[in-house]
Amino acid sequence: LAKTTQPISMDSYEGQEVNITCSHNNIATNDYITWYQQFPSQGPRFIIQGYKTKVTNEVASLFIPADRKSSTLSLPRVSLSDTAVYYCLVGANAGNNRKLIWGLGTSLAVNP
Amino acid sequence: EAGVTQFPSHSVIEKGQTVTLRCDPISGHDNLYWYRRVMGKEIKFLLHFVKESKQDESGMPNNRFLAERTGGTYSTLKVQPAELEDSGVYFCASSQVGDYEQYFGPGTRLTVT
Repeated sequence: LAKTTQPISMDSYEGQEVNITCSHNNIATNDYITWYQQFPSQGPRFIIQGYKTKVTNEVASLFIPADRKSSTLSLPRVSLSDTAVYYCLVGANAGNNRKLIWGLGTSLAVNP
Repeated sequence: EAGVTQFPSHSVIEKGQTVTLRCDPISGHDNLYWYRRVMGKEIKFLLHFVKESKQDESGMPNNRFLAERTGGTYSTLKVQPAELEDSGVYFCASSQVGDYEQYFGPGTRLTVT
């Protein structure tokens, strides 16, 4: 399973767009990129998943370049409630054992 | 729809005692995962059930940890005897077969003194 590297922390202000980049140089052909969000004293929550190019849902966008060695989670117009830890995970999306391999994540602080 | 629930939310025990953590997955989710985060470290995979069968228990730290999933419904994780290094937050997650999205419970914070 590919290892991921993310910034330890980021700061932003309400209303700004936040982009969190994750490096995964050893990503395998059948690996997908998944992002989770975790608030204090809660379990992680799935945000978005993608394989290549761009994926968008009601919460975020995920940009994946052609070489797939990195990905960027984009949060539009963040609010104070987006303060959380964001995890980038890489793993196969086939089969039924999808144990998640976690890094330390990026701690995002949104300031007023 | 009820989410994944875990009990207790917090447990404080002495070294050498036994503790049992419980996880109730979302109804209909055959996949059940246990993870653990020790303070300052990454969340680590412990094991994976498909219904009542252990699919992958490669992350279990040692034989002091015993996980069961009775009838493919709720799961328990017993630590016996507990050691100081077992302190951390234990998360349970569930998913449907073939689904990549895992739904996590709020975790059980275990403190061994």
